[in-house]
Amino acid sequence: GNSVTQMEGPVTLSEEAFLTINCTYTATGYPSLFWYVQYPGEGLQLLLKATKADDKGSNKGFEATYRKETTSFHLEKGSVQVSDSAVYFCALNLPGGKLIFGQGTELSVKP
Amino acid sequence: GAVVSQHPSWVICKSGTSVKIECRSLDFQATTMFWYRQFPKQSLMLMATSNEGSKATYEQGVEKDKFLINHASLTLSTLTVTSAHPEDSSFYICSARGQGAIEQYFGPGTRLTVT
Repeated sequence: GNSVTQMEGPVTLSEEAFLTINCTYTATGYPSLFWYVQYPGEGLQLLLKATKADDKGSNKGFEATYRKETTSFHLEKGSVQVSDSAVYFCALNLPGGKLIFGQGTELSVKP
Repeated sequence: GAVVSQHPSWVICKSGTSVKIECRSLDFQATTMFWYRQFPKQSLMLMATSNEGSKATYEQGVEKDKFLINHASLTLSTLTVTSAHPEDSSFYICSARGQGAIEQYFGPGTRLTVT
């Protein structure tokens, strides 16, 4: 079946630290992969996406590469800020638009 | 960017009553809307998919007679929780997608508490 697994949180980092949030998936076919971010009290926002193998999505300093061989889509950022504190969701997009979400990873960045 | 609103943002109702949640796309036409449920510290679970003018498609395990979904226009979908019980207490989130688009835009969610 289709599923997404993310590393468990919460993840606590100091400002300017390097961030990696692991995401692996199982899927039939070739889904698109997304990272969503949910800031406190707000709805989910699309952070970045990749639609095919080896694509790299990037936005606001975050990056993730669609790795078909390892079925992964890890989220990275070289230097996090306090304002990056949020919950991050990895998701795969199936035909028809159905999104399968990972369990979410809470990130807390301390000054 | 595309904006999706939900109303109300939170609601408390008594067990046995029904409550309606609205989801609106404010600046685009949403041919497809999705309803999710999110439990504390957990992921979003898709409940149903609705296309404008058609009956909603429910995910396995979701009671269609309990969670009534209407998508009568290209900017509005409603979720009605009928005969609510405390176990229906949750965070309900909608998303909307335009014709031919991949990206879904999410509403801010509605916190339902059934007492």
